[in-house]
Amino acid sequence: QKEVEQDPGPLSVPEGAIVSLNCTYSNSAFQYFMWYRQYSRKGPELLMYTYSSGNKEDGRFTAQVDKSSKYISLFIRDSQPSDSATYLCAMSGGSGTYKYIFGTGTRLKVLA
Amino acid sequence: GAVVSQHPSRVICKSGTSVKIECRSLDFQATTMFWYRQFPKQSLMLMATSNEGSKATYEQGVEKDKFLINHASLTLSTLTVTSAHPEDSSFYICSAFGPGNTDTQYFGPGTRLTVL
Repeated sequence: QKEVEQDPGPLSVPEGAIVSLNCTYSNSAFQYFMWYRQYSRKGPELLMYTYSSGNKEDGRFTAQVDKSSKYISLFIRDSQPSDSATYLCAMSGGSGTYKYIFGTGTRLKVLA
Repeated sequence: GAVVSQHPSRVICKSGTSVKIECRSLDFQATTMFWYRQFPKQSLMLMATSNEGSKATYEQGVEKDKFLINHASLTLSTLTVTSAHPEDSSFYICSAFGPGNTDTQYFGPGTRLTVL
């Protein structure tokens, strides 16, 4: 079993839809949870960063962490064609255990 | 957010040659940088952790003599792929912790290496 599981997709949605992206993990030591967006042939761009459990909102993006279920989510409201990219979740144990463990990434296509 | 740059963005070389890739933190100092490799449609694989002024820490299975890392200043880390072969063709990405924290990594734009 991988430490971090993420559905590779592709996930196709119509413009304006709410998108839900998810990752599950097995290591209860993870404390920091990140979502990155990666366009084709580009480096990952940090979207959201959450410490421990809870919700965090930034514009159209909402990140949720449920440590009891070892499950994290990223919601994108009012999705746009420009949101079409691969979304990677990443996790770490935090200071002192700084290595990131990445999910495989979910390819999202938002259709105009 | 913090800006990390890489140079070159793309390189094509002949088999047997060595290629150097630079990673720079543009507006902050980075004592720790990371080098990743990414194959098409796959996630990022950590190759090594680069620490300013000391030897890099390589992940299991990564040949340190093949992938030479130098972190000579607080804003520059270099990865040299020595005696490159076609199987080294990949997308190489560096990252650094943001200023003042060791929790959030900021990534460079990546370097696509093609070895003929």
